[in-house]
Amino acid sequence: DAKTTQPPSMDCAEGRAANLPCNHSTISGNEYVYWYRQIHSQGPQYIIHGLKNNETNEMASLIITEDRKSSTLILPHATLRDTAVYYCIVRLDTGTASKLTFGTGTRLQVTL
Amino acid sequence: ETGVTQSPTHLIKTRGQQVTLRCSSQSGHNTVSWYQQALGQGPQFIFQYYREEENGRGNFPPRFSGLQFPNYSSELNVNALELDDSALYLCASSLRTGGVNGYTFGSGTRLTVV
Repeated sequence: DAKTTQPPSMDCAEGRAANLPCNHSTISGNEYVYWYRQIHSQGPQYIIHGLKNNETNEMASLIITEDRKSSTLILPHATLRDTAVYYCIVRLDTGTASKLTFGTGTRLQVTL
Repeated sequence: ETGVTQSPTHLIKTRGQQVTLRCSSQSGHNTVSWYQQALGQGPQFIFQYYREEENGRGNFPPRFSGLQFPNYSSELNVNALELDDSALYLCASSLRTGGVNGYTFGSGTRLTVV
């Protein structure tokens, strides 16, 4: 399984953009990058995913480098409710099963 | 559309006992995956069910087993509970290939083994 590396924690001021990096240098060509977040003791919440193109939705933007070895999740205007653990995940598809391989996550603290 | 629901929300069991956790998948989803999340760790893949059959398994012993029913709901069974089985157990439903919105997780069952 391709592994991901994330900083253990980050701080962001409310209203500013939060840029969360992820390294996935061993990713293979058919593996997607997913981002989820988890607020204390709740189930992970889907944010965004992509293969090689940059993606944007109502929650965030995902920037994937051309060599696909790293990506950045951008929350354009962070709020206190965005405080959570953010997981960068590589989705391995074995042909018969598809599983999410969670990394260590980044604990984002949004402050006033 | 209804999300993923899991029951019970909390459970306390004694070492050596057996436990069954339940999951109802999101409407329209046909695949269910189970994850174990120990305190302070990221979720770890246990197994996945599609068309009522297990079609992928993580590094978990055979005492972890499951079922999927025709309505796509699922059960996770753990036999001979050990103290290290204490964790948050998460169920995630999806379409076969993940779909546009990825995997929808339930809020989990917090299992404590004493």
